Amino acid sequence: GENVEQHPSTLSVQEGDSAVIKCTYSDSASNYFPWYKQELGKRPQLIIDIRSNVGEKKDQRIAVTLNKTAKHFSLHITETQPEDSAVYFCAASNQGAQKLVFGQGTRLTINP
Amino acid sequence: DTAVSQTPKYLVTQMGNDKSIKCEQNLGHDTMYWYKQDSKKFLKIMFSYNNKELIINETVPNRFSPKSPDKAHLNLHINSLELGDSAVYFCASSLSGRNYEQYFGPGTRLTVT
Repeated sequence: GENVEQHPSTLSVQEGDSAVIKCTYSDSASNYFPWYKQELGKRPQLIIDIRSNVGEKKDQRIAVTLNKTAKHFSLHITETQPEDSAVYFCAASNQGAQKLVFGQGTRLTINP
Repeated sequence: DTAVSQTPKYLVTQMGNDKSIKCEQNLGHDTMYWYKQDSKKFLKIMFSYNNKELIINETVPNRFSPKSPDKAHLNLHINSLELGDSAVYFCASSLSGRNYEQYFGPGTRLTVT
């Protein structure tokens, strides 16, 4: 089955700097890669996703890149702000499985 | 106007008891899920139902029994609760087909003492 590894487990950056979180997956059939943000005590919420027919996707300060050959994808947050502090999860799935396999999560802290 | 709702939000109970968590979605989705998030924040799928049919059962102990009375509801019943069942349980829903976004409920924090 699919296995998703996420790094780092914790990340601390200065406000205004960029943050990068990386994930690798094992199943070459996976074709959908969402990123979820979970604030303390809240539910996970989708912030951006990418499908396997696209190499990069951007939404304001957030971007995701996908390297299908290497089976890894990354989340990039630029100009970080205090409200970006949260736990971020990557996930992977393929259409047939209809199942999201999550990475272990990255606790991102933005220092003012 | 809550999209995915769960009850109760908190559940504190003793070992050996039986408890249920309820989930409802008003998004018109046809697929619903139960996830368990442990103390280390790891999110793991437990069950998935599509149009009231069980499609995913991730080696969860038989003490856990999901029930989907209709497409908008998915309940989770847990028998003989154990200390290790303490976690946050999230319900989620989505449209099937092309890996549509999963919408999560607010979570139920279960504490077994």
